Amino acid sequence: GNSVTQMEGPVTLSEEAFLTINCTYTATGYPSLFWYVQYPGEGLQLLLKATKADDKGSNKGFEATYRKETTSFHLEKGSVQVSDSAVYFCALGRSGGSYIPTFGRGTSLIVHP
Amino acid sequence: IAGITQAPTSQILAAGRRMTLRCTQDMRHNAMYWYRQDLGLGLRLIHYSNTAGTTGKGEVPDGYSVSRANTDDFPLTLASAVPSQTSVYFCASSTGTAPTDTQYFGPGTRLTVL
Repeated sequence: GNSVTQMEGPVTLSEEAFLTINCTYTATGYPSLFWYVQYPGEGLQLLLKATKADDKGSNKGFEATYRKETTSFHLEKGSVQVSDSAVYFCALGRSGGSYIPTFGRGTSLIVHP
Repeated sequence: IAGITQAPTSQILAAGRRMTLRCTQDMRHNAMYWYRQDLGLGLRLIHYSNTAGTTGKGEVPDGYSVSRANTDDFPLTLASAVPSQTSVYFCASSTGTAPTDTQYFGPGTRLTVL
């Protein structure tokens, strides 16, 4: 079945540091890939997505490239801010025989001033 | 546009009691979902509905039931609550069931079962 593996957190960084959060997946077919962000006390919201291999999703300075050969969708940001502190979820859209989306367990990011 | 609303915001419930969590969306989305979020376990799908009148079981459906009488509403019922159902519950919706569809989440309901 489909699955998503994210690096465990928390990831703790100083402001303006470079961020990478790793995400790899197993899927039947050719899924779309998503990163969602959850700020404290809120629901998840879409950060970015990519719908086919080699696509790059980007938003708010975050980027992720859909790498079919390594089944990865790593999230990166060149210079994090305190306001980026949140939990980040990598997710697969429905694909193949899976009728439901699949989420990773989430990675907590803490950015210190 | 409100998006997705959930009620109540939080609730403390005695074990054995029946509870319905409400979810309403105003985006005319066909698909809706219920998740629970527990520390260290991420999001787990409880039930989903691809369109009004249909429902399906997710990863952790036991002890929960849903109905989808119309497009906008997707209530989640705990028939007889147990402490292990203490969690934060999120309702979500998407335009349809295409692989590229984004999910939109409500603000969540924090439920404590004592």
